[in-house]
Amino acid sequence: DIQMTQSPSSLSASVGDRVTITCQASQDISNYLNWYQQKPGKAPKLLIYDASNLETGVPSRFSGSGSGTDFTFTISSLQPEDIATYYCQQYDNPPELTFGGGTKVEIK
Amino acid sequence: EVQLVESGGGLVKPGGSLRLSCAASGFTFSSYSMNWVRQAPGKGLEWVSSISSSSSYIYYADSVKGRFTISRDNAKNSLYLQMNSLRAEDTAVYYCARSSTSCWGDYWGQGTLVTVSS
Repeated sequence: DIQMTQSPSSLSASVGDRVTITCQASQDISNYLNWYQQKPGKAPKLLIYDASNLETGVPSRFSGSGSGTDFTFTISSLQPEDIATYYCQQYDNPPELTFGGGTKVEIK
Repeated sequence: EVQLVESGGGLVKPGGSLRLSCAASGFTFSSYSMNWVRQAPGKGLEWVSSISSSSSYIYYADSVKGRFTISRDNAKNSLYLQMNSLRAEDTAVYYCARSSTSCWGDYWGQGTLVTVSS
């Protein structure tokens, strides 16, 4: 099974800060990686697909990069509405996909 | 507008059974694979099961294999998860999500809570 190691598990940043989350796969997954945002009591929302493609309607302050085993998710300027938990997910070998452990983003 | 609406969750005793449903609308249901993903209280996301568009291919996580059965009815635009021999560790919010060859997880339902407790 492919393991996804996401870090940090939580972070606190100020409004306007640049926020970066990393995700490392246990083996090469090419660019088969999604990033989701999940707010309390809500379903995950797809933000980034294929490692770096912005889902339609998602603000451009969100971005993703990477390929192979190392991936990065960035919020260029943190906004109050971005408070949520973010998850990476690999789908290199569907249907056996796996999620990272999540990163809880809070406002300082 | 794409919509996925889960139902059927509730409180069940260990060893009991429950059937979840996911009603789809706003897209051609028969063209998409469908999936169940669960989230235990305060925990992360776990893939549970997937079914291809025509039900030809069905897959399960090891944690539910032999106890859960996924199915779909394309005429009714509905996805199902029959859960038997339920355990306390199956307690979670269960989400349905659609996928295709080009995109996984672009739409999710709001989830339905399953609680397994005596």
